[in-house]
Amino acid sequence: GAGVSQSPSNKVTEKGKDVELRCDPISGHTALYWYRQSLGQGLEFLIYFQGNSAPDKSGLPSDRFSAERTGGSVSTLTIQRTQQEDSAVYLCASSLAGDRVKYFGPGTRLTVT
Amino acid sequence: RKEVEQDPGPFNVPEGATVAFNCTYSNSASQSFFWYRQDCRKEPKLLMSVYSSGNEDGRFTAQLNRASQYISLLIRDSKLSDSATYLCVVNPGNAGNMLTFGGGTRLMVKP
Repeated sequence: GAGVSQSPSNKVTEKGKDVELRCDPISGHTALYWYRQSLGQGLEFLIYFQGNSAPDKSGLPSDRFSAERTGGSVSTLTIQRTQQEDSAVYLCASSLAGDRVKYFGPGTRLTVT
Repeated sequence: RKEVEQDPGPFNVPEGATVAFNCTYSNSASQSFFWYRQDCRKEPKLLMSVYSSGNEDGRFTAQLNRASQYISLLIRDSKLSDSATYLCVVNPGNAGNMLTFGGGTRLMVKP
């Protein structure tokens, strides 16, 4: 079946611009996670959605980062006033509720110039 | 101290070799453990879960030592296609089952 999809696959933006990254989870998966992976680094948790519950935003690095999940499916991660240190691969993962196994999308490679 | 620590490598081994990776975690309350594989410029994919009793999947064997808080992955008869970064992953038992990732160990299998 279809896996997690993300768009765009690559995004180059100028410092100070806003960007939106999109994630389509696997159909039926109620849990959705955003992570980011900087060059040569491990994955860093950003935010977690579970069904209609309030999201866990504890991993967001600053108030320039926000995310929404509409209708319990598609999620958008927004980064306002991008900075060069925001350059990374942003990975989305989904899972069934309570399932510890996560399925990752291919990621969006963000480059801030 | 990082929550999940791994030797970044790279481990350079010839085809057919046996190679082992270790990983340590700091949260003794951690509940579940995994090895993920990540190919260059690709997303992480689950390789195998790690159970207390140890488990094997073909050429791959994973073991967990809760007392010492370390996890291992053994790869026998290495193939060129095993070249990748292996991520040690821990579920610390939070409500959202958020995973904590190690920085990964890079393996390069050479002919």
